[in-house]
Amino acid sequence: EDQVTQSPEALRLQEGESSSLNCSYTVSGLRGLFWYRQDPGKGPEFLFTLYSAGEEKEKERLKATLTKKESFLHITAPKPEDSATYLCAVRPGPDTGRRALTFGSGTRLQVQP
Amino acid sequence: DSGVTQTPKHLITATGQRVTLRCSPRSGDLSVYWYQQSLDQGLQFLIQYYNGEERAKGNILERFSAQQFPDLHSELNLSSLELGDSALYFCASSVGRLAGEEDTQYFGPGTRLTVL
Repeated sequence: EDQVTQSPEALRLQEGESSSLNCSYTVSGLRGLFWYRQDPGKGPEFLFTLYSAGEEKEKERLKATLTKKESFLHITAPKPEDSATYLCAVRPGPDTGRRALTFGSGTRLQVQP
Repeated sequence: DSGVTQTPKHLITATGQRVTLRCSPRSGDLSVYWYQQSLDQGLQFLIQYYNGEERAKGNILERFSAQQFPDLHSELNLSSLELGDSALYFCASSVGRLAGEEDTQYFGPGTRLTVL
């Protein structure tokens, strides 16, 4: 069974204080690891897809990295508008016949001015 | 704006009733996925359709059913509603092929269902 564990559950940062969110996963033949941002009461907003260990992707103040067991979402010099819940999800390999994403419980990030 | 639309935004109903949630995927996307998000369980996959056919099933209750129509919009039907069915229901869509970025699922704004 695919499992995704995110830590910490909640994180409070001061504006400009960089940090990292962790996503540990267990999946049969990783097809893709996805990061989403979710604001309260809204749908998840796609951020990144990572496909293989060593891959990195960046977007503004966010950088996602991937190893064989975990992914990190690094937030550099965050701003209050970065406050949201960040979700990590995995998709198993095609040999499993499973196509759905398995999501972690998310990290609630609050950035204070 | 992801390009995925869902209606209605909010739905309030009573136990035992039946409701229908509607989803229109992004232009060109053939796959539609339904997810349930409740406070204590996070995002849970319910069911996937690809070009009108059921492709995968998750933890979907027998009281729930879905279909995808020829114009690719999808409907999720929830019947004999219980208090515990109160949640956010999201639809996501993707191109549906396995390769590359086309794997990515884009989510709609959701329907908030409240069962009283």
